[in-house]
Amino acid sequence: NAGVTQTPKFQVLKTGQSMTLQCAQDMNHNSMYWYRQDPGMGLRLIYYSASEGTTDKGEVPNGYNVSRLNKREFSLRLESAAPSQTSVYFCASSGPEGAGQPQHFGDGTRLSIL
Amino acid sequence: AQSVAQPEDQVNVAEGNPLTVKCTYSVSGNPYLFWYVQYPNRGLQFLLKYITGDNLVKGSYGFEAEFNKSQTSFHLKKPSALVSDSALYFCAEPSSASKIIFGSGTRLSIRP
Repeated sequence: NAGVTQTPKFQVLKTGQSMTLQCAQDMNHNSMYWYRQDPGMGLRLIYYSASEGTTDKGEVPNGYNVSRLNKREFSLRLESAAPSQTSVYFCASSGPEGAGQPQHFGDGTRLSIL
Repeated sequence: AQSVAQPEDQVNVAEGNPLTVKCTYSVSGNPYLFWYVQYPNRGLQFLLKYITGDNLVKGSYGFEAEFNKSQTSFHLKKPSALVSDSALYFCAEPSSASKIIFGSGTRLSIRP
């Protein structure tokens, strides 16, 4: 009963390095999301994918790219990490279509950029 | 723009006392509304949702929420707080068929 799985759980990067955060869900959900959570800022949507093969920008997409690899997996890439990207990153999924569907979250990736 | 507001950054309650965490929404008509809870070092967990119908919605862990259309509020309540209820609570509403807007969060602290 895994739900949403994120890897890695922790990561420390140097400024300018790149990395990919992985997310997979086993609930056959159509929609997947990437958020960042910063103290005092709540959750901010980075990118989302309403269905396999589509991705759209959220509130704070700059500095990030995403790939919806298949229905299960949605990855987030930092091409050139900056200290401002130090945050906790959460992946979520929801389905089926409809505004009344709750989102299911992974336990996050804690990322520090030095 | 649609938004949800959580006017209190922190709520402190003694164990055994009733608790209320406040939320107001902005969308007109009958909205969909959610409450989530976040424990330390964990992701958000869905607690309950309002779609339509009864104004009192029951959810997980003994929580309930009261939808009040005239006050545009959706406050989270529990009759008797437990120390284990200490966590961060988020109110949320959909901004489209696919996206949800989250409030800024309220930290609930239950003292023994």
